[in-house]
Amino acid sequence: NAGVTQTPKFRVLKTGQSMTLLCAQDMNHEYMYWYRQDPGMGLRLIHYSVGEGTTAKGEVPDGYNVSRLKKQNFLLGLESAAPSQTSVYFCASSYTPYEQYFGPGTRLTVT
Amino acid sequence: AQTVTQSQPEMSVQEAETVTLSCTYDTSESDYYLFWYKQPPSRQMILVIRQEAYKQQNATENRFSVNFQKAAKSFSLKISDSQLGDAAMYFCAYRRRGTQLSGTASKLTFGTGTRLQVTL
Repeated sequence: NAGVTQTPKFRVLKTGQSMTLLCAQDMNHEYMYWYRQDPGMGLRLIHYSVGEGTTAKGEVPDGYNVSRLKKQNFLLGLESAAPSQTSVYFCASSYTPYEQYFGPGTRLTVT
Repeated sequence: AQTVTQSQPEMSVQEAETVTLSCTYDTSESDYYLFWYKQPPSRQMILVIRQEAYKQQNATENRFSVNFQKAAKSFSLKISDSQLGDAAMYFCAYRRRGTQLSGTASKLTFGTGTRLQVTL
């Protein structure tokens, strides 16, 4: 039981490049979330999903897209990376809406 | 909108001593959940303790306990017998209670965190 895993752990992008972050969970959780963590700002919700095939916007969705084609995977895409998207990205999942289990994070730097 | 405030950017405690981390929140809801998460240098977010707002009894988990004051909208974390492994960032978080997810109702609202140092 690996819990929540994230790929990759680190990435450096140039402005305008695109990439996809992968989150996978093996706990059969319905709910999945993407957060970003910036210094001094705590974690902020980007997008979330309440089940396979569903997605919804969170607090800071601009510049990101997501997909949940399979229940166990939640992908976060950056179509045209900007320096403002330099951050640490966390994926989380939960069986109920209340208790969320987090992945180890992806550190993304956009130059 | 809900907000969570952690007014202590950094705290320090000696090993084996007790420390209390503060958290206040603002909400118009009457039913909700409050959480404390720990983030060690590994960056992994670890759930420390959870409190349901409808419960008057303060939650406890081994050396960790909370002081939940609903009227004051205060939710402090007490760590007893501090250990070197307790050194980390601690985040207070809030979530509305409810069975339906709509808009941003599903989100956890986090405070900005308190960095706890544990000294010998």
